[in-house]
Amino acid sequence: QSALTQPRSVSGSPGQSVTISCTGSSSNVGGYNYVSWYQQHPGKAPKLMLSDVSKRPSGVPDRFSGSKSGNTASLTISGLQAEDEADYYCCSYAGGFTWVFGGGTKLTVL
Amino acid sequence: EVQLVESGGGLVQPGGSLRLSCAASGFTFSDYTLNWVRQAPGKGLEWISYISSDSWAISYADSVKGRFTISRDNAKDSLYLQMNSLRAEDTAVYYCARDLNWHLIDWGQGTLVTVSS
Repeated sequence: QSALTQPRSVSGSPGQSVTISCTGSSSNVGGYNYVSWYQQHPGKAPKLMLSDVSKRPSGVPDRFSGSKSGNTASLTISGLQAEDEADYYCCSYAGGFTWVFGGGTKLTVL
Repeated sequence: EVQLVESGGGLVQPGGSLRLSCAASGFTFSDYTLNWVRQAPGKGLEWISYISSDSWAISYADSVKGRFTISRDNAKDSLYLQMNSLRAEDTAVYYCARDLNWHLIDWGQGTLVTVSS
């Protein structure tokens, strides 16, 4: 149950795009299309941003998009806004009713 | 409106026990699978346990297996986490989360557990 690998931090200016990667293995990310992404602002509970690799729940802006290739999933945020500054976590189903999270990525909007 | 409200956190000595609760409202509790996820201070999220809608399937992360027990009472719309043999590394905010098709759609606000002498 090793954590998925995410960059510790990324940054971008308002209006730009950033991509956060999430690398696992064939036992999790590569083996299932059940990758989800969560946004967490300081002191707040996580919020679901994407499910099933690329599905946006109601209310999530279409600036947020996801993809997967092999054992690596990615979250792209386009048209960066100040309120996007937060920590982002990927999560993958890992079989046997278990899940694994990434270590988290701090997004800074410059 | 979906609400998940955790309670039961606090300060406990190493080796001690604590029982967390999560009271749910705003949805048909018995229809959903549930999870516990924790976050150590300044650290990332860690999934720790899952329970199916009727408790037939239960799973744990290796880090808590044998020490923590998840359960639910569908009549009371409540989820529980019994934590035994607590260690300093169990210090974290514990979240309950509603699961839908392998992703966590709703989260509680969390309850802080501090394991320290």
